[in-house]
Amino acid sequence: KAGVTQTPRYLIKTRGQQVTLSCSPISGHRSVSWYQQTPGQGLQFLFEYFSETQRNKGNFPGRFSGRQFSNSRSEMNVSTLELGDSALYLCASSPGTAKNIQYFGAGTRLSVL
Amino acid sequence: SQQGEEDPQALSIQEGENATMNCSYKTSINNLQWYRQNSGRGLVHLILIRSNEREKHSGRLRVTLDTSKKSSSLLITASRAADTASYFCATDGGYGGATNKLIFGTGTLLAVQP
Repeated sequence: KAGVTQTPRYLIKTRGQQVTLSCSPISGHRSVSWYQQTPGQGLQFLFEYFSETQRNKGNFPGRFSGRQFSNSRSEMNVSTLELGDSALYLCASSPGTAKNIQYFGAGTRLSVL
Repeated sequence: SQQGEEDPQALSIQEGENATMNCSYKTSINNLQWYRQNSGRGLVHLILIRSNEREKHSGRLRVTLDTSKKSSSLLITASRAADTASYFCATDGGYGGATNKLIFGTGTLLAVQP
């Protein structure tokens, strides 16, 4: 099976712009989670989708949003980018409904100038 | 917010030596997992230990869990240069509901010198 695929791998944006990141989970996995990793805050949970429904959300402003499609692919969107949004964004999928092993993609590194 | 701290923040050892990393967490848990991350790439799952387990082995990895102290340790035996990476513990935060959300520790950067 192919692993979790995230696109693009690298992205450079300027403040005020918006960005969309994409994640294709492992075939058959219905749960997709997103994490932000920064040197200062470490790995922070953004949100989780399961069967097209957001069922858990981290403590991030409303500028961060996401969605999941019927084929389990997921996108996350960040609007009105700020310098502090520069980070590695990681997507993870899981075969189970809860408390399972997560399979991570290689990440999208976003730089906001 | 992060679940807890990992100790040490950084560890440098020689090939063949053992490496021990510790993780403390704040809440009750259903399980605890360890992940490895190579140089800012994706995380790779290493091992999962449930709250009713005290020790688990996988190849050169040994994980212990002490729920009374809210702590866990990861031991890598006979380390290799390829083990150089950051290691993170992660818990489910004890949530009762259906979620795969993970709360990560701060990580330990392990450098294995050839």
